[in-house]
Amino acid sequence: AQRVTQPEKLLSVFKGAPVELKCNYSYSGSPELFWYVQYSRQRLQLLLRHISRESIKGFTADLNKGETSFHLKKPFAQEEDSAMYYCALTGGGNKLTFGTGTQLKVEL
Amino acid sequence: EAGVVQSPRYKIIEKKQPVAFWCNPISGHNTLYWYRQNLGQGPELLIRYENEEAVDDSQLPKDRFSAERLKGVDSTLKIQPAELGDSAVYLCASSPHRQFSYEQYFGPGTRLTVT
Repeated sequence: AQRVTQPEKLLSVFKGAPVELKCNYSYSGSPELFWYVQYSRQRLQLLLRHISRESIKGFTADLNKGETSFHLKKPFAQEEDSAMYYCALTGGGNKLTFGTGTQLKVEL
Repeated sequence: EAGVVQSPRYKIIEKKQPVAFWCNPISGHNTLYWYRQNLGQGPELLIRYENEEAVDDSQLPKDRFSAERLKGVDSTLKIQPAELGDSAVYLCASSPHRQFSYEQYFGPGTRLTVT
């Protein structure tokens, strides 16, 4: 079975502060991990995936197989980063398993 | 491009009534997904189509839920009869190719309230 855990329902930071959204997973094989984001009044959309190892909107995420984690990080939070963030996992098939999401609020 | 289109956006019905949701995926996308998102939860897959074939419906409550994608394009998800616990947002998503399943493009969702 595959499972994704996002321990924080809400994360509030000040503008310019570092951000780390936590994601832990459970999967017996080699997973593919993703972060999806939903801005206010917008659709759920892909932010980044571990396999591409890229930075999107200043966000990065590193897959740590030893700790079974895929935390999302950004060194300096911006007001426009306020959104709902979902970590998701697939075991190589087409089924995405989502976490419960973390609401990021960036305050001025 | 309009993206994934869903209709209606909101629906309020009484329990035991039927309800149907419609989805039109992005043109050319072979794979179509229906998800249910309960309040405070992430989306949970109900059914996945490859063209017109339902290839994963293990999470679909088949006693009251049904879905179809007759021509491999748009799709309908139906609940009959609806229960109070069916109140949720129903999301449709599509992806262009089986190999790139993680590139799922989501619709705006239909918010269902069962009273």
